[in-house]
Amino acid sequence: QKEVEQDPGPLSVPEGAIVSLNCTYSNSAFQYFMWYRQYSRKGPELLMYTYSSGNKEDGRFTAQVDKSSKYISLFIRDSQPSDSATYLCAMSAAGASGNTPLVFGKGTRLSVIA
Amino acid sequence: GAVVSQHPSWVICKSGTSVKIECRSLDFQATTMFWYRQFPKQSLMLMATSNEGSKATYEQGVEKDKFLINHASLTLSTLTVTSAHPEDSSFYICSGGVTTQYFGPGTRLLVL
Repeated sequence: QKEVEQDPGPLSVPEGAIVSLNCTYSNSAFQYFMWYRQYSRKGPELLMYTYSSGNKEDGRFTAQVDKSSKYISLFIRDSQPSDSATYLCAMSAAGASGNTPLVFGKGTRLSVIA
Repeated sequence: GAVVSQHPSWVICKSGTSVKIECRSLDFQATTMFWYRQFPKQSLMLMATSNEGSKATYEQGVEKDKFLINHASLTLSTLTVTSAHPEDSSFYICSGGVTTQYFGPGTRLLVL
């Protein structure tokens, strides 16, 4: 079993839809959870960062962490064509500082159709 | 957020040649930077941890003699792919940061 599982998609939704992206993980030591957005042939861009369980909201994006189920989610409201990208979940046990390597999911390719 | 740059953004080389990729932190000092490799439609795989002033730490299965890492200053880490072969063709990305990690734009390497 891989440490982090993420459905690679592709996921195609109409503009304005609510998008739900998910990851599961097996390492109960993970405490720090991140979502990155990666456009084609570009480096990943940090979207959301959460520590332990709970919700975090930033504009149209909401990140949820359920440590009891080892399950994290990213919701995108009012999706736009510009949201079309690959979304990668990442996590670590030892923190999210610049000194800590991250474990990534495979990424989910999202297409938002106008 | 922090800014990480990479150079070159893409490179094509002949099999057997060596290629150097630079990773710079533009607005922070990085004692540690990470090098990842990403194959098409795959996730980022950590290759090595670059430590300023000391030897890099390589992940299992990554040949340290093939992927030379130098972190001579707090703002620059370099990855040299020595004697590159077509199977080394990939997207190489570095990352660094202070409170969290930020990624460079990546370098696409194509070995003919």
